Order: sequence, then structure tokens, then C-alpha cells
Amino acid sequence: AQSVTQLDSQVPVFEEAPVELRCNYSSSVSVYLFWYVQYPNQGLQLLLKYLSGSTLVESINGFEAEFNKSQTSFHLRKPSVHISDTAEYFCAVSGPPGGSNYKLTFGKGTLLTVNP
Amino acid sequence: KAGVTQTPRYLIKTRGQQVTLSCSPISGHRSVSWYQQTPGQGLQFLFEYFSETQRNKGNFPGRFSGRQFSNSRSEMNVSTLELGDSALYLCASSSEGDARSYEQYFGPGTRLTVT
Repeated sequence: AQSVTQLDSQVPVFEEAPVELRCNYSSSVSVYLFWYVQYPNQGLQLLLKYLSGSTLVESINGFEAEFNKSQTSFHLRKPSVHISDTAEYFCAVSGPPGGSNYKLTFGKGTLLTVNP
Repeated sequence: KAGVTQTPRYLIKTRGQQVTLSCSPISGHRSVSWYQQTPGQGLQFLFEYFSETQRNKGNFPGRFSGRQFSNSRSEMNVSTLELGDSALYLCASSSEGDARSYEQYFGPGTRLTVT
């Protein structure tokens, strides 16, 4: 079984401040980890993913996440946020394609609000 | 490439009715998954289809069903609607056979309101 815990339901920050959104997971099989972002009245957009290799993964818009196997964590960070980063962020875990665990199991989400 | 499209975008139904939602995946994608998003339960996996076969299923009652056609388009059906079925229903597609098959791409969703 797979599960994801996002430790903060809401994170308010000021513009240009750093932010960390926390995510812990549990799984009995090999996992693949994802962060998705959802803007109001829209679907989910893939922000970044960890499949294997380097434990630090980056997105094109300045976010990064670090896979920590010993702490079963995949926290999302950004050194300086913008107003446009205001959205809900979801951490998710999946098994490999084609298998019985090939489904995204999501955390409850973290609402990031960036204030001027 | 065009993204995942879902129709209709908004739907209002009455308790006891049934509803069919449609999803067209990204061209070339053969795996289609469905998710339900509600404020209380969050995002929950419904089922996944690949090559017209249901490959995975979540923990939803039998009132929720789906199918996939030979062109990979998928539909999901909910019969005997209940108030608790009000939700955003999201469809996601993925390719198969390469590293990108781990990535699921989501459509904008269908907002179903049951009154």
C-alpha cells in the first residue's frame, strides 16, 4: 500500500521569501514521486518528478525537490516565490507503469499563498 | 500536441440520474486514468484503462464504471447519482514504453454537481 502525507495544509509567505512544502510517503514497493500544481478551476500540472538517479530534481520555474529515502521525504522548495506561485500543490507517489500500483496516490494538498 | 480534453466541463444532475463523462487522451497515449477530487476526500484514483482493458481499479462502488475505445478515448459512467458524487472528475493520460510513461498528464476536469 502507498500513502502520502503533506504536513501543512496552508502555507502563507511573502513575495520573494523562500518556501518549503513538506511531503512524506510510505510504500512497500519501489516508488516514483511527483509534485503537481493546481491553479483555481484548472486540472493538475506536473511540476517535477523523481524516478531514479540524482536525488535533487528541478523544475523549469525554479522549484526543486529532494528525495530522501532514509527519511521517506520529498520536500518541495523554492528560494524566492512570486505572486504567480499562489496555487495548491500536491505530492504524489506511484508504482511503475503496467503494474497493479500504477496509480497516483496523492497527499491532501498544500495551499501556497504568496502575499505582496 | 493537443492536451487531454474532457467533456463536458460542467454538469448538473439530479439524485438518482446517471451521467457519462468523456475523455480524449493526448495523441499516442494509450493509458487513461480517472480521478475524483472532492474537498473532503481529496484526490482519489477511480480506475485505469489500457488498450480497452481495465488494468487497475480504486475503491469505489460498482456505480462507477468506465470503458476505453480502440482510439484510446475513454468514458466513465456513474449510475444512481448521490449527493456525495458531486466532485471534479479528472482524466489523465500517459504513454507506454519509455521513461515518460511514468508521467500522467491531466485534463481540465468535469465539474459534476448533483442536486
